[in-house]
Amino acid sequence: NAGVTQTPKFRVLKTGQSMTLLCAQDMNHEYMYWYRQDPGMGLRLIHYSVGEGTTAKGEVPDGYNVSRLKKQNFLLGLESAAPSQTSVYFCASSRTDAYQPQHFGDGTRLSIL
Amino acid sequence: QKEVEQDPGPLSVPEGAIVSLNCTYSNSAFQYFMWYRQYSRKGPELLMYTYSSGNKEDGRFTAQVDKSSKYISLFIRDSQPSDSATYLCAMSGFTGGGNKLTFGTGTQLKVEL
Repeated sequence: NAGVTQTPKFRVLKTGQSMTLLCAQDMNHEYMYWYRQDPGMGLRLIHYSVGEGTTAKGEVPDGYNVSRLKKQNFLLGLESAAPSQTSVYFCASSRTDAYQPQHFGDGTRLSIL
Repeated sequence: QKEVEQDPGPLSVPEGAIVSLNCTYSNSAFQYFMWYRQYSRKGPELLMYTYSSGNKEDGRFTAQVDKSSKYISLFIRDSQPSDSATYLCAMSGFTGGGNKLTFGTGTQLKVEL
């Protein structure tokens, strides 16, 4: 029972490089989310998806793109990484019923040099 | 001003103590309240959730919501070293879709032997 799985767990990039973070969930959840967590800032929503093929912007979407081609997967892309994107990234998923809690993966620690 | 305010701590208590963790919020539309526990280098895991005002108890944990004061609390009885973690409050109102959450920045708790 894996729940929400994020890959990779850790990555170091140089400024200007691109990369994709993968999130996979096996709970058949419709909703998926990408957050970043920074000291003193808490969890901030980057993008989210309410179903396969749909995405929407969250609180801090600039510099990121997402895709939800399959229900179980949600990808977060950085096209041209910047040092300000150094953070811990968390993926979460939830059911569609109102007020359902979100279930989180263990995060990807990303450093941009 | 942030929608959800949470004292970052750190809060250090002796084993066996009763711990009180709190959040205040400003958005009266919030109706659903959650507490997540986050161990170091792990993702947040759901601990408690409550709807509207009142108390909810689960083992050593009690969640309390006072909507009139816009104040929520998590009490931990007989605290253990294994309770040492960061505790995040989260809340949600009707958003029309997506079950988006607003998080506090987290309170770091250390329970010492």
